[in-house]
Amino acid sequence: DAGITQSPRHKVTETGTPVTLRCHQTENHRYMYWYRQDPGHGLRLIHYSYGVKDTDKGEVSDGYSVSRSKTEDFLLTLESATSSQTSVYFCAISEPRGGHNEQFFGPGTRLTVL
Amino acid sequence: AQRVTQPEKLLSVFKGAPVELKCNYSYSGSPELFWYVQYSRQRLQLLLRHISRESIKGFTADLNKGETSFHLKKPFAQEEDSAMYYCAAGGTSYGKLTFGQGTILTVHP
Repeated sequence: DAGITQSPRHKVTETGTPVTLRCHQTENHRYMYWYRQDPGHGLRLIHYSYGVKDTDKGEVSDGYSVSRSKTEDFLLTLESATSSQTSVYFCAISEPRGGHNEQFFGPGTRLTVL
Repeated sequence: AQRVTQPEKLLSVFKGAPVELKCNYSYSGSPELFWYVQYSRQRLQLLLRHISRESIKGFTADLNKGETSFHLKKPFAQEEDSAMYYCAAGGTSYGKLTFGQGTILTVHP
């Protein structure tokens, strides 16, 4: 497995509380991504980063914010968690080489919002 | 808009039978196509990419640009192939990928 870790791996929280998920990589890859995985929807991109302090919105960014202050860390924040944000969150990284753009995934964080 | 469609949510076959997981895409330009596999409660792993045209774990996938399809095939399914399979397209803009909804493959003994 690529050197990607996510923390926490599991979290239960209450509606209205802030939550921050962390993705850490040791591969020095330039691009990082946050996805959510839901039955019937597959993986949907929340936000992505193309460098330190360079981030942009993905397909389902409402209610989420991100930050990347170091190459190795990409944080996903739910400012005020809602039950609709109960999901499994995956971080991914990639470093385009020779036109190849495969992504490597972290182990996932299972978030439950009560 | 970029779109990847996997028409089957669930696919069941018996061990030793052939299996085909369908994937159709709608994408501007010439995207890269990938198949990822996710075994129970594990991280996604890259299975195949169309550029390399390789066979992994007996799986192959042929890109048909005319039909905009990238179906995944294996001639003889094994029980350990039971997993969620995702087709993905993209990679041209900041490496972003668009994923299909996924197909859960179950191989019965």
